[in-house]
Amino acid sequence: DAGVIQSPRHEVTEMGQEVTLRCKPISGHNSLFWYRQTMMRGLELLIYFNNNVPIDDSGMPEDRFSAKMPNASFSTLKIQPSEPRDSAVYFCASSFNPLTPTNEKLFFGSGTQLSVL
Amino acid sequence: AQKVTQAQTEISVVEKEDVTLDCVYETRDTTYYLFWYKQPPSGELVFLIRRNSFDEQNEISGRYSWNFQKSTSSFNFTITASQVVDSAVYFCALSSPHAGGTSYGKLTFGQGTILTVHP
Repeated sequence: DAGVIQSPRHEVTEMGQEVTLRCKPISGHNSLFWYRQTMMRGLELLIYFNNNVPIDDSGMPEDRFSAKMPNASFSTLKIQPSEPRDSAVYFCASSFNPLTPTNEKLFFGSGTQLSVL
Repeated sequence: AQKVTQAQTEISVVEKEDVTLDCVYETRDTTYYLFWYKQPPSGELVFLIRRNSFDEQNEISGRYSWNFQKSTSSFNFTITASQVVDSAVYFCALSSPHAGGTSYGKLTFGQGTILTVHP
């Protein structure tokens, strides 16, 4: 079975450019999460969706960041305009959330390494 | 507020040594989940274990074992007879209803412990 698929693996862009990160969750999973990993702040949750609906976006740093999940098999995280401090590894994760935590665990993608110059 | 503290930033051991990674957590919830994830040099995050707050039994899986003690709010991870392939960053994480939302996938991570196992 394919795991969580993220693209691109690496992205190098210049300050001010728009960046779009993509994620395909595991088929059948109904929750999707975007995490960011930096040396300074470690791993932090940006936003998560349940059944394609954004539930909690309190971790989104500012209005330059937006995330969408148009269907159960695809999500994007967009940064516009990008800044050097956005450089990080962005992880997408998915899980099956039956509203009881019995079996819920996160499956992570391989991440997108973003460098904003 | 929820918090996870991994006091050891880096640990270096020689192969076949036992090593324990410490994790201390803070939460005001009585129901919560604790996790350990492994991040090898390739970068992905690999799930190792989930433990709920009502189950304080220690768990062993091969060379891995976990010691959960509610009294000290700790969830320590021990690797017995370490191997070079165990070299990775290990993250402890916490999830609870206080974090909000409907999902226990909303995790608060510790800063991670870099484990290096030398041959």
